[in-house]
Amino acid sequence: NAGVTQTPKFRILKIGQSMTLQCTQDMNHNYMYWYRQDPGMGLKLIYYSVGAGITDKGEVPNGYNVSRSTTEDFPLRLELAAPSQTSVYFCASRSSASSYEQYFGPGTRLTVT
Amino acid sequence: AQSVAQPEDQVNVAEGNPLTVKCTYSVSGNPYLFWYVQYPNRGLQFLLKYITGDNLVKGSYGFEAEFNKSQTSFHLKKPSALVSDSALYFCAVRDIGGGADGLTFGKGTHLIIQP
Repeated sequence: NAGVTQTPKFRILKIGQSMTLQCTQDMNHNYMYWYRQDPGMGLKLIYYSVGAGITDKGEVPNGYNVSRSTTEDFPLRLELAAPSQTSVYFCASRSSASSYEQYFGPGTRLTVT
Repeated sequence: AQSVAQPEDQVNVAEGNPLTVKCTYSVSGNPYLFWYVQYPNRGLQFLLKYITGDNLVKGSYGFEAEFNKSQTSFHLKKPSALVSDSALYFCAVRDIGGGADGLTFGKGTHLIIQP
């Protein structure tokens, strides 16, 4: 049972490039989330999904897109990367039957230069 | 909208002494509160939660937290600190009314346990 896994661990992008951050969970959780963590700040919610085929925007969705074709996978797409997207990205999941605690992946550290 | 405040950027404690990491919250309705710990270059790990019931909540690694409704606080505590407790600690509250129960986080508190 690997929990929540994320790839890659690190990535450097040039301004204007695109990339997809991968997130997979093996706990059969319905709910999945993407957060970003900036230095000295708490995590901010980018997008979330309540099940396969259903996604919605969080607090800071601009510049990102997501899809949820399976229960396990919740990739985050960055189009036209900008320096403001330099951050650490965390994927999380929770079971709809749980008391709201979320389980986090190890994160992807992204630098846009 | 809900919010979480962690008033201390850093807390320093000698090993073996009790520790407290402070958290206050603002939310309409009943709060669902959480503490997470983050070790360097790692994801967040769930420590404990308060949903309802006893105001003193026990969690992982000997940590506990005290919910105080009148003071809107949810301070994290441990009776005897270990050097291995040194990490970044986040308090969070469940988002109410949107975000599929996403979490709103405080800015985090660096806990440093000195040998």
